[in-house]
Amino acid sequence: AQTVTQSQPEMSVQEAETVTLSCTYDTSESDYYLFWYKQPPSRQMILVIRQEAYKQQNATENRFSVNFQKAAKSFSLKISDSQLGDAAMYFCAYRGGATNKLIFGTGTLLAVQP
Amino acid sequence: EAGVAQSPRYKIIEKRQSVAFWCNPISGHATLYWYQQILGQGPKLLIQFQNNGVVDDSQLPKDRFSAERLKGVDSTLKIQPAKLEDSAVYLCASRRRTGTNTEAFFGQGTRLTVV
Repeated sequence: AQTVTQSQPEMSVQEAETVTLSCTYDTSESDYYLFWYKQPPSRQMILVIRQEAYKQQNATENRFSVNFQKAAKSFSLKISDSQLGDAAMYFCAYRGGATNKLIFGTGTLLAVQP
Repeated sequence: EAGVAQSPRYKIIEKRQSVAFWCNPISGHATLYWYQQILGQGPKLLIQFQNNGVVDDSQLPKDRFSAERLKGVDSTLKIQPAKLEDSAVYLCASRRRTGTNTEAFFGQGTRLTVV
C-alpha cells in the first residue's frame, strides 16, 4: 500500500526567508503524481504544485519549487521569499495506482513570522 | 467554472443520531472523493467514486457510514448512528476522468461535531 510521511509537524520561517518542507512516500508503482496542497484556516484545500513521476525536472510555480528525488522517494517543497499569506497547513499527497487513489500525509503547520 | 459545493458547512448532533452530507462536484468531473479529516491530522480517504460506481471504499466504516452517487453527479455521505469519534471535517473533492494529469478540486468541507 502507498503511504505518505511528513515528519515535521510544525515549521516556522521569517518573512522573506526560505523554508523547506519535507515529505517521503512509499510505493511500488512507477507511474504516479505527487502534490503539495495548502490548507488555510478556511479549510479549503488549494493545490500549490504538482510533479509527475516520469519527469526528471523539478516543478516550479513562482515562489514554490520542489526537490523530487525518485530513487529516494522524497518530495520536498521549498517556499522562497515567504509571505504572511503562506501561513497554513501544508499537505503532501500522492496519486497513483489502478484506482488513482489520492492519499495525504499528516501535514506540516507553517508559521510565518513578521 | 463553479467549484465543488458542500452542505451544510457546520453540523452539531448528539451521539447515536444520524447525519447526511451533500456534495455537488464540478460539472463533468467523473471522479469524486470523500475524506474524513480529524483535527490536526491529514485527510483520510473514505470512499472514491468513478461516475456512479465505487472504486475504493476500503477505509469506510461500513457498519455506520454509507455513501452514494446517483446518476454519477451529486453524492451524499451518511453516518448512522454517529459516535463521538466521528467529529471531524468531511471533505469532498472531484477530478476530471479523462487525462491523468488532472488535479483534484476540494470543497470547503462540513465540520461535524458529535456531542
